Amino acid sequence: QQQVKQSPQSLIVQKGGISIINCAYENTAFDYFPWYQQFPGKGPALLIAIRPDVSEKKEGRFTISFNKSAKQFSLHIMDSQPGDSATYFCAAIRGSTLGRLYFGRGTQLTVWP
Amino acid sequence: DSGVTQTPKHLITATGQRVTLRCSPRSGDLSVYWYQQSLDQGLQFLIQYYNGEERAKGNILERFSAQQFPDLHSELNLSSLELGDSALYFCASSPQSTVYSIYGYTFGSGTRLTVV
Repeated sequence: QQQVKQSPQSLIVQKGGISIINCAYENTAFDYFPWYQQFPGKGPALLIAIRPDVSEKKEGRFTISFNKSAKQFSLHIMDSQPGDSATYFCAAIRGSTLGRLYFGRGTQLTVWP
Repeated sequence: DSGVTQTPKHLITATGQRVTLRCSPRSGDLSVYWYQQSLDQGLQFLIQYYNGEERAKGNILERFSAQQFPDLHSELNLSSLELGDSALYFCASSPQSTVYSIYGYTFGSGTRLTVV
């Protein structure tokens, strides 16, 4: 079954707006939570990642908020731009060593100019 | 360019056939991962190799197999192909390290397989 659940499936935001994508997980063995951005014809590329003992991490216009007790985390894209139009995936890794990524189903973001 | 090279970029083949997808990891990376991306299943982990040895196995069908060679490149073999095997196949590579070096976990641009 899907170990990381992601919503919404698609999102349309106006330029300058805030895009919010949510993810939830059940397995408390997950130790790290990255977000990936994928453009058509390309592989997923890492945007930002967070560990569960941190409640928020910000890199430029991208912020991850993490709620360990609720087992939920979200990606906020501030001042969304047309160039941000892509598919976004949340993911999780179990354990402390790099290995298998468990991906959410993805959110297709469209930012209108 | 991510540094992970996948060939071919596109592949069209008939049902029942066998194909081989190739992946060259980033220089120095010992781990190679294969993922399948389809519309109905999303991104699914298939298998991981580390320095030539199988490290982890995911949702990989028995008709599929992989290996990693001494020069660290990897091949994913898909046999007895079915229409449902049509998908994007991604390879990723990483140095075998802690999750805090995840910025080194890099995906290639994929091979689009179409089975007709």
